[in-house]
Amino acid sequence: GENVEQHPSTLSVQEGDSAVIKCTYSDSASNYFPWYKQELGKGPQLIIDIRSNVGEKKDQRIAVTLNKTAKHFSLHITETQPEDSAVYFCARTSYGKLTFGQGTILTVHP
Amino acid sequence: GAGVSQSPRYKVAKRGQDVALRCDPISGHVSLFWYQQALGQGPEFLTYFQNEAQLDKSGLPSDRFFAERPEGSVSTLKIQRTQQEDSAVYLCASSGTSGGPGDTQYFGPGTRLTVL
Repeated sequence: GENVEQHPSTLSVQEGDSAVIKCTYSDSASNYFPWYKQELGKGPQLIIDIRSNVGEKKDQRIAVTLNKTAKHFSLHITETQPEDSAVYFCARTSYGKLTFGQGTILTVHP
Repeated sequence: GAGVSQSPRYKVAKRGQDVALRCDPISGHVSLFWYQQALGQGPEFLTYFQNEAQLDKSGLPSDRFFAERPEGSVSTLKIQRTQQEDSAVYLCASSGTSGGPGDTQYFGPGTRLTVL
């Protein structure tokens, strides 16, 4: 009941293309959904988050959408750049603690 | 201001040794979390403090794992009699408010533990 399923596990795009990563969850009590970017040898860095009373949020080239009825949320990166290459994790909170997806390795080719 | 810091960054231990991992949260942050990240996986919750109180330790994998935060600031994760399966990156995160479900968690760089 607490798992977060994340797809795809790897994503390869050309510079300038868009990238979309999707996550699904099953716990109806979840109401906060952050996305983290993790580069090699570093800790996860928050890039965007969304709360359950909002359907979409955008910050420059990054956007997140949430469908609470279907229990899925997605990360959209437009105009990708080589420095976007990293591992991306979706997560949800339950009683404060984060439950993470399995991660997506994004590679942006110049 | 400074972010979350962790030390050491790397630790190599022989099987059976005890280790202690330190986390310095963002100054003033009330909540502190420990996560374990195996290679190629997402972080998994270990334990959670609100100030000095350990409110949730449901993720600790065995009684060899112990965490404390005696003064409500710095925290230490201790692993006794380390085993090879303990090899992982141990991440610490802190958040500023009362530990509610929507508090943003800020992560440190992690400690990579290798047990030989």
